[in-house]
Amino acid sequence: EVQLVESGGGLVQPGGSLRLSCAASGFTFSSFWMHWVRQVPGKRLVWVSRINGAGSSTTYADSVKGRFTISRDNTKNTLYLQMNSLRAEDTAVYYCARDRGGNSADTFDIWGQGTMVTVSS
Amino acid sequence: DIVMTQSPDSLAVSLGERATINCKSSQSVLYSSNNKNYLAWFQQKPGQPPKLLIYWASTRESGVPDRFTGSGSGTDFTLTISSLQAEDVAVYYCQQYYRSWTFGQGTKVEIK
Repeated sequence: EVQLVESGGGLVQPGGSLRLSCAASGFTFSSFWMHWVRQVPGKRLVWVSRINGAGSSTTYADSVKGRFTISRDNTKNTLYLQMNSLRAEDTAVYYCARDRGGNSADTFDIWGQGTMVTVSS
Repeated sequence: DIVMTQSPDSLAVSLGERATINCKSSQSVLYSSNNKNYLAWFQQKPGQPPKLLIYWASTRESGVPDRFTGSGSGTDFTLTISSLQAEDVAVYYCQQYYRSWTFGQGTKVEIK
């Protein structure tokens, strides 16, 4: 079964750091771009970052550029999001998602269940 | 950024009736070199992640019931649920993937 499972969310103070993980199974992980998407409950989905299959190319939304770092370990079939200098407005459910295009930009066909990040003092 | 705007924000439809959701992009998402619209539709039920329904504006994802139909081109798109079922109660989002990835604000579909 194709599956993505996020972990690492929690409560962190403003200015703090957190690392999210997304464990993939059921498909050839290294063949797919991967993304992080976040959603404040009840609000629209917002794309955060993407990484190519090899891990050599990354892109970020302006709102997180310079603070968040996306990476992957294809030997562990795991995607990461290192979040630094966290702000209250980063509070959201964070989803990892698979890009259906393989080696090119496309939409997202597989999503994890999400992990909640709360930034508050 | 390409801004996606959906209408209406919510709608209530009787069981078995048609539901229509509109999505407008601030610029065309039609790529002329391959004549494809970079537009997808997602369904999100409470407490669940989004589920891909439609991509390339009108291609149904595997396993999606044929009562879900996507249409449109350029900047104007529509998701139609031909005969609403109880399990279709959800929030529906459109997404463009022409330039980066952005989503509409969502349309909540309820039973009348």
